[in-house]
Amino acid sequence: DTEVTQTPKHLVMGMTNKKSLKCEQHMGHRAMYWYKQKAKKPPELMFVYSYEKLSINESVPSRFSPECPNSSLLNLHLHALQPEDSALYLCASSQVDMGLSSYNEQFFGPGTRLTVL
Amino acid sequence: GQQVMQIPQYQHVQEGEDFTTYCNSSTTLSNIQWYKQRPGGHPVFLIQLVKSGEVKKQKRLTFQFGEAKKNSSLHITATQTTDVGTYFCAGGYGGATNKLIFGTGTLLAVQP
Repeated sequence: DTEVTQTPKHLVMGMTNKKSLKCEQHMGHRAMYWYKQKAKKPPELMFVYSYEKLSINESVPSRFSPECPNSSLLNLHLHALQPEDSALYLCASSQVDMGLSSYNEQFFGPGTRLTVL
Repeated sequence: GQQVMQIPQYQHVQEGEDFTTYCNSSTTLSNIQWYKQRPGGHPVFLIQLVKSGEVKKQKRLTFQFGEAKKNSSLHITATQTTDVGTYFCAGGYGGATNKLIFGTGTLLAVQP
């Protein structure tokens, strides 16, 4: 199974709502990522989890709260978002890189298209 | 901070023509990966280059890594309509961070 799944596919929320995005993989990968992608732009890294511990937070506002409850699941909790947070949110997974010059390929999910009203 | 730029931003070709996209990093890379994102889709891994001057081929696709490990290119020979999409390079800067910096991307349109 080389698939990363994400739910929901689409999400519309108001600025006062609380919602969560979910990501799941069964490839045995121990690194998982959240990216944000605006239209016609590249994916921007938000968070990296390695062995279920947060290893990178790219100065993301606290209204985005990641969680990695186990090695297969990754959540992104959303609260008090702004309209400019509307974007495609991509989850990815990979084997953990061990500090060598070569990285492992990242497998991306189909994304959640988020609209904040 | 590290930045990765790609040119051109957009390329429109007739089917059968060749296509090249160029990727430049502001600082030396440890490795570079290439991804393809079809319209409405998600990025899909194509290849990774690690060694200075490395050249790799996948059928009609040729990938190069510069001698200084600051630039890379992707060349497609005889484009097909299935090649349509945005091609991103993604730079890795070493260390056990699993962190990639995606380039700005090149959108390829192929007219049949």
